[in-house]
Amino acid sequence: AQSVTQLDSHVSVSEGTPVLLRCNYSSSYSPSLFWYVQHPNKGLQLLLKYTSAATLVKGINGFEAEFKKSETSFHLTKPSAHMSDAAEYFCVVIPSGGYNKLIFGAGTRLAVHP
Amino acid sequence: GAVVSQHPSRVICKSGTSVKIECRSLDFQATTMFWYRQFPKQSLMLMATSNEGSKATYEQGVEKDKFLINHASLTLSTLTVTSAHPEDSSFYICSAREPGASRNEQFFGPGTRLTVL
Repeated sequence: AQSVTQLDSHVSVSEGTPVLLRCNYSSSYSPSLFWYVQHPNKGLQLLLKYTSAATLVKGINGFEAEFKKSETSFHLTKPSAHMSDAAEYFCVVIPSGGYNKLIFGAGTRLAVHP
Repeated sequence: GAVVSQHPSRVICKSGTSVKIECRSLDFQATTMFWYRQFPKQSLMLMATSNEGSKATYEQGVEKDKFLINHASLTLSTLTVTSAHPEDSSFYICSAREPGASRNEQFFGPGTRLTVL
């Protein structure tokens, strides 16, 4: 069965420091992987996606993620956190051939302190 | 990028009434739309897949008679929560897939907060 594990339910950082949000996936074949951000009472915004091209994916707002097949990981990083980055982040996987079925991680709430 | 809207953004209703939520793709035609439900501080759970011109496909455990889905046009899908009860209170989010684009990418609406008193 396909699954996504976000290793931290909450992450707290100071403004200007690096951000690391961890995601591990379980998939039999080459999956498509996404990171979405959700601000309070808002829908989801796509940050970046991996679809079997370059393993290092750059997204919006300075975020990037690296697909590591050997580690089955797709961690999200940002060199310097901004106050506006405070939100809920979801790692999402679509198994190979599974066009409809988005599998969501449980989410990581990122807090950014002054 | 593709834009998906939802209406209303918030709705409060009395127990026993029905509520309709609209999901529209504003700048593209979406043959397939998806409805998700999100409880507070939890992740999104797929409820059903809405296909234009045909019946929706519901996920296991989702009552199709309670959550009526209609996808009458290529830009509009509606979710009707029938005889709503307080336990139906939740955040409902729709998404749509844009034909011709990456078949894996979905564009999400801003969500509808339903509160049943």
